Amino acid sequence: AQTVTQSQPEMSVQEAETVTLSCTYDTSENNYYLFWYKQPPSRQMILVIRQEAYKQQNATENRFSVNFQKAAKSFSLKISDSQLGDTAMYFCAFGAGNTGKLIFGQGTTLQVKP
Amino acid sequence: DAGVIQSPRHEVTEMGQEVTLRCKPISGHDYLFWYRQTMMRGLELLIYFNNNVPIDDSGMPEDRFSAKMPNASFSTLKIQPSEPRDSAVYFCASSLRGARAAFFGQGTRLTVV
Repeated sequence: AQTVTQSQPEMSVQEAETVTLSCTYDTSENNYYLFWYKQPPSRQMILVIRQEAYKQQNATENRFSVNFQKAAKSFSLKISDSQLGDTAMYFCAFGAGNTGKLIFGQGTTLQVKP
Repeated sequence: DAGVIQSPRHEVTEMGQEVTLRCKPISGHDYLFWYRQTMMRGLELLIYFNNNVPIDDSGMPEDRFSAKMPNASFSTLKIQPSEPRDSAVYFCASSLRGARAAFFGQGTRLTVV
């Protein structure tokens, strides 16, 4: 069975600084996808970034980038130039390519301070 | 596209009553997921469908929970009878060809009193 672990329940960062959120996963699959989702106080789940496991290049979306270490089964999210609007809970998620099943980690609450 | 549409946004019901949550996935998506979010347990996958067929319902907590997908554009999650511990936010999400990005609805906040 696949598992996703986020070991940081809460984090904080000063506005304009950089922060990294950690995620590890466990799977025996070779074909899979990894995601980071953001859930602001509005509770809407918003896709931030996606990584295909077969791609070695780390995904980047504007201020958001990932550090994907396949052998270590690690998938961290880096937020550069943090903004107040980045305050939210962030979820790491694993998607198995064969089954389509999506499993989420426990979430990390990020507070961006002015 | 309007995105995933869930109804109602909020539901307050009395213990023992039947509750039905509704979801309209994004047109063309072939996977549909039902999740439950609570403070204690986080985001749990309850059940998911592929092409309207339930694939994995191992996350459904009890027989009081049931889900259907009669066609590609509609799914329901029913709780009968409801209990206070069912109080949570229930999300529906859909994706295309599985394990691509899932797009979520706004969620239904269910309160059972």
